[in-house]
Amino acid sequence: DIQMTQSPSTLSASVGDRVTITCRASQNIRSWLAWYQQKPGKAPRLLIYKASGLESGVPSRFSGSGTGTDFTLTISSLQPEDFATYYCQHYDSHSRTFGQGTKVEIK
Amino acid sequence: EVQLVESGGGLVQPGGSLRLSCAASGLTVSTTYMSWVRQAPGKGLEWVSLIYSGGNAYYADSVKGRFSISRHNSTNTLYLQMDSLRPEDTAVYYCASSTRMDVWGQGTTVSVSS
Repeated sequence: DIQMTQSPSTLSASVGDRVTITCRASQNIRSWLAWYQQKPGKAPRLLIYKASGLESGVPSRFSGSGTGTDFTLTISSLQPEDFATYYCQHYDSHSRTFGQGTKVEIK
Repeated sequence: EVQLVESGGGLVQPGGSLRLSCAASGLTVSTTYMSWVRQAPGKGLEWVSLIYSGGNAYYADSVKGRFSISRHNSTNTLYLQMDSLRPEDTAVYYCASSTRMDVWGQGTTVSVSS
């Protein structure tokens, strides 16, 4: 099975900061990667699909990049509502492994 | 508007069974990839199962042989039959639609404990 490794596990940042989260796949997943945001007690929300596609309704400060095994989620200017946990997930095969998550905290 | 509503969670003893439901509106479950994802208390997301529009189904190793995904076309509902439940199956269970999981339900809580 494909393993997904996110880093860092926790990130402390301030409003207005540029934030980058990375995700590495254990094998080539082409561009079949999604990013989700989850707030406590809520269902996950799709942000990015196919590595760089911005889901409808998601602010343009969110962007994704990468292909193959290395991917990045960037928030260009962190807003108060962006403090949450972020997950990457591959959908390159019949399994759908998630990364372990990155919690973005207030510095 | 696409909406997914899960139900069927509850408290069950180890070795017991539960059937979760995911009622869909605004989409047709038989023509869409549908998935189940769970989240144990304080833990990350874990993919559980998916069913393709053609009916092929796949499972995480942790539930293979114990869980079964299915759908009922006339009621437009997705199911997850969970047998031989273990304490480590305790989690909030979400259903999600499409291969990129763009719509999620609110979740239903399953607790496995004696």
